[in-house]
Order: sequence, then structure tokens, then C-alpha cells
Amino acid sequence: KAGVTQTPRYLIKTRGQQVTLSCSPISGHRSVSWYQQTPGQGLQFLFEYFSETQRNKGNFPGRFSGRQFSNSRSEMNVSTLELGDSALYLCASSLEGWAGENTEAFFGQGTRLTVV
Amino acid sequence: EDQVTQSPEALRLQEGESSSLNCSYTVSGLRGLFWYRQDPGKGPEFLFTLYSAGEEKEKERLKATLTKKESFLHITAPKPEDSATYLCAVYTSGTYKYIFGTGTRLKVLA
Repeated sequence: KAGVTQTPRYLIKTRGQQVTLSCSPISGHRSVSWYQQTPGQGLQFLFEYFSETQRNKGNFPGRFSGRQFSNSRSEMNVSTLELGDSALYLCASSLEGWAGENTEAFFGQGTRLTVV
Repeated sequence: EDQVTQSPEALRLQEGESSSLNCSYTVSGLRGLFWYRQDPGKGPEFLFTLYSAGEEKEKERLKATLTKKESFLHITAPKPEDSATYLCAVYTSGTYKYIFGTGTRLKVLA
């Protein structure tokens, strides 16, 4: 079965611009979460969506936002890009994303964002 | 505050030299502990889920175990292709998020 698909794989943007990243989860998965990965900080949680509702948000500024559509596909938007936003952005999907079984999260290949 | 700590940060092994990676955690309401493997420039690849103390899971040369405070990933007779960063994560009830450790970078030399 198809895995988690993230597009685009690579992006180069200029400071001050905005960017939108896309994530298509595994078919049937309703939970989608986003992470920022940098060499110094590791994987940092951005937010999680389930059935189009944001259930949790990490400690990132309001420039980072997301949404989920009725088909569970999700987008993440970063406005007013800063140099420090350069990172690998990872999307993960899981069946339920809550306590109990089926909490395994499966990751996409990520979008490498470079801000210049 | 929920926290996950992995050790060592980096590990170099000779091919065939078995070892263990550690993941210690301080969380309230653990609902699952996960191990992932990540190759450079790629997303983490799911390996194991452990739900309760005493549980063990195996896959090829890897075996994961769980206690109430930590988890171990045992690597038996590793091969160069096992070289990667191994990440540990926990999922706690009511938070809807995974908390990751910073990983162990494993290098297996032929």
C-alpha cells in the first residue's frame, strides 16, 4: 500500500516569503502530525490534526499553521520565512493517533526547506 | 515535563559486535514507546511499538525491550547496512503528540 507522500521534496525560498507544504497520509489514516527536524534540535512537534481538527500544537510561533481536509490530506504553511526555518519538515500519519493500539506513526520522506 | 533521553549519542561498532542503545523516559500516562530508524535525508522508518513493561519485540538483528523507565534496542551481530540514526519516541495519553529523543547515530564498520 502507498506510504505517506510529501510534496515538494525540496524547496528554496527567500526570507520574508511564505511556503505551503503538502502531506497525503496512508489511505484510511485520519491522524496527521507535522515535525520540524534540525541537526541541533532533533524532531520537534509542530501540530496534529484528526478529522480536520487540530488537537495539539507545539511551541512554535503563529507563523506556522496547518490544516487538514476532509480526505485527511494536510497542508502546513509558514509565513514570513526566517533563516532559522531551514529544516527538514516531516509529516506522519497514523490510524487513530490516540491512546491504545494503532498509535504507530508512519513518516513521509520529508520536505527539505532552505531559506536564503 | 515529559522527556525522552537517548544514549549514547553516537556509537561505532565493528561488524558482528553486538551492543545496546538506551532510551530513558519520564512521562505521565505512557501509551506507547516507539523505535524508528532514520537514514540521512529520509523520513524515520517505523521499527517497533512497545506498550507495557516487560514487553519485547524482535525483527531480524534487532530486539526492543521495555521497562517502566527505559527501553533498550539490542543489536545482535550488526552489519554495515544497520548504520543509521535510531530514534526513540513516546506517546502519552491526552497529548496527541509523539515526543522524540535526539537519537543514537550508529556506525557499523566492515
